[in-house]
This record gives sequence, structure tokens and C-alpha cells, in this order.
Amino acid sequence: ETGVTQTPRHLVMGMTNKKSLKCEQHLGHNAMYWYKQSAKKPLELMFVYSLEERVENNSVPSRFSPECPNSSHLFLHLHTLQPEDSALYLCASSQDGPRGGTEAFFGQGTRLTVV
Amino acid sequence: SQQGEEDPQALSIQEGENATMNCSYKTSINNLQWYRQNSGRGLVHLILIRSNEREKHSGRLRVTLDTSKKSSSLLITASRAADTASYFCATGGVQFYFGTGTSLTVIP
Repeated sequence: ETGVTQTPRHLVMGMTNKKSLKCEQHLGHNAMYWYKQSAKKPLELMFVYSLEERVENNSVPSRFSPECPNSSHLFLHLHTLQPEDSALYLCASSQDGPRGGTEAFFGQGTRLTVV
Repeated sequence: SQQGEEDPQALSIQEGENATMNCSYKTSINNLQWYRQNSGRGLVHLILIRSNEREKHSGRLRVTLDTSKKSSSLLITASRAADTASYFCATGGVQFYFGTGTSLTVIP
């Protein structure tokens, strides 16, 4: 148990569906992250939030929409996804924001399949 | 790209042997971190080495950092079957950029 909880663990959705991934951290950290992990590819940093403010967005398609209502919760809203969006989506948190250099704590991930 | 790149991509050893994996990166860093991932699960932080450090130990893990060569190595001594996992390096600065990992298989 890392202190970062992601729900759901598995999700199958159609291309016309709208769904949301949830991440919650109980560590009192100030920064939260969304990563995408596809087979044979590096982890892709999607979004970074520091003190609830988005500080990085790595050219992610608009069909992915993050939301950070407070420092403990992070959401990833999904709509009109494509089959190539099927991947493991990982949430992480760290004590410091970007450039702080502290370790990241990861959730167990949501395995997303788009059909 | 700021991401680390691990080498080799896959490594298979017998239990009890040592495992060494390497990481190269391209930009200046504040620190470099190693993580482990069991199949289909989240990453777990193993060790962090700062840019002014050359070597660091944690249990059976030994990490070296050569900033002049922009490279790091992770050594796992006396490997166990439970060490079977993927190992990633991540460069700190603008956090956190990862490579594709080294898949380690330890055969009992």
C-alpha cells in the first residue's frame, strides 16, 4: 500500500462513452501526476498538478481532461477515446512539485480498454 | 527528450547471481531515481541518488551515477526470484521522465 489509491482498477469503455478515473492520495503531498503506460513504450507524463494548479500538459489530446479539486484528489475525465488509448493509466504523487526532486509514490493503476 | 533509457531491455539470470542494469540520459539532472514495477501494477521507488553523489547503497541495491557520462547503473546482488520485475530509471529536474525499463527475470 503506497498511500495512493486509484479507482477503478479495470475499465472497459466504448468509443462514445464518457468515464472518469479517480486518484486519491493520503500522504499530504503537494503534487500529483497522471502517466500513461503502453506496451513497449516509455511511461508518458500526461499532466502535473502542483498545489492544485496544472503546471504541465504534455500535448495530450483534448479527449483527456484532468481535474484536481483539492491536493488529495485527481481525476482524469475520458470521452470519445480511441482504441490506441487503451493502456495502463498511473497516478502518482510527490511531496514537492516539479523540479523538487523527491520520490514519487504510485497507485496501482487503471487498466483501460477501449473497444 | 529528458527521459532515461535503460539497458539491456531484458535480462535473465539464475537466482543468487548479480543483476546489473544501466541507464543513460541526455540533459542535466538534479537527481536520478530507480523504480521497480511488478507486472501490470504501479511503480515502487527503490533509491534516489543526487547529482553530487557517485554511489549509494540500500540493502542489496547499489546505484552509481556518472554525470560526466550521463549514466547510472543499478546492481542487485544475490538476486531472488521475487526480484523478477521491470526496473526503470527516472531523471529528476522536471519530474519525472522514465524510460522503457529493463525486464529482469530471476530463475529459481
